[in-house]
Amino acid sequence: QKEVEQNSGPLSVPEGAIASLNCTYSDRGSQSFFWYRQYSGKSPELIMSIYSNGDKEDGRFTAQLNKASQYVSLLIRDSQPSDSATYLCAVNKKTSYDKVIFGPGTSLSVIP
Amino acid sequence: DARVTQTPRHKVTEMGQEVTMRCQPILGHNTVFWYRQTMMQGLELLAYFRNRAPLDDSGMPKDRFSAEMPDATLATLKIQPSEPRDSAVYFCASGWDTSNQPQHFGDGTRLSIL
Repeated sequence: QKEVEQNSGPLSVPEGAIASLNCTYSDRGSQSFFWYRQYSGKSPELIMSIYSNGDKEDGRFTAQLNKASQYVSLLIRDSQPSDSATYLCAVNKKTSYDKVIFGPGTSLSVIP
Repeated sequence: DARVTQTPRHKVTEMGQEVTMRCQPILGHNTVFWYRQTMMQGLELLAYFRNRAPLDDSGMPKDRFSAEMPDATLATLKIQPSEPRDSAVYFCASGWDTSNQPQHFGDGTRLSIL
């Protein structure tokens, strides 16, 4: 089992719809969860951090965390064509080396 | 707006040549990461430093790659000798103390080894 898994996509949604991106992780000790957006040819850009179970909202973005199920998701409401990008889930790993593990990313395409 | 600065942005060179990539972390950040991104492998952690000390370089091919942080404002990643399979985008990121804090990425170095 990979440490952080995401559906690779591509995920296509019509403009104005809700895009739902999912991520599962293997380390039950993980405490910090991040969503990054990466446009083609650009670097990853932090969108959201979440540390506690439940929902965290920031504008059109909502991160949801369920530690019992080892599941974190990102919802994008009122999707715009400018949201078309690859979304990377990242999870911290408390081992002898304190570091963050990135998932493979989900490609999102918002169709006008 | 504070940013991680990477140089060069693009590098094309022939197999066997030495390649050096540089990174200036955000002022005050004490953790620096080097990643490699390819279509096949995604984002791979090569090495990282905290307070200039190397913590984990298990993701880095030791025979040809080396990473250093000679001072708090400069991190380097070297490949010698370079091979075509090293062609990728190399990102540097910096952050605060622990993995509980988010990382901020530079624009990357797009490396092509012919």
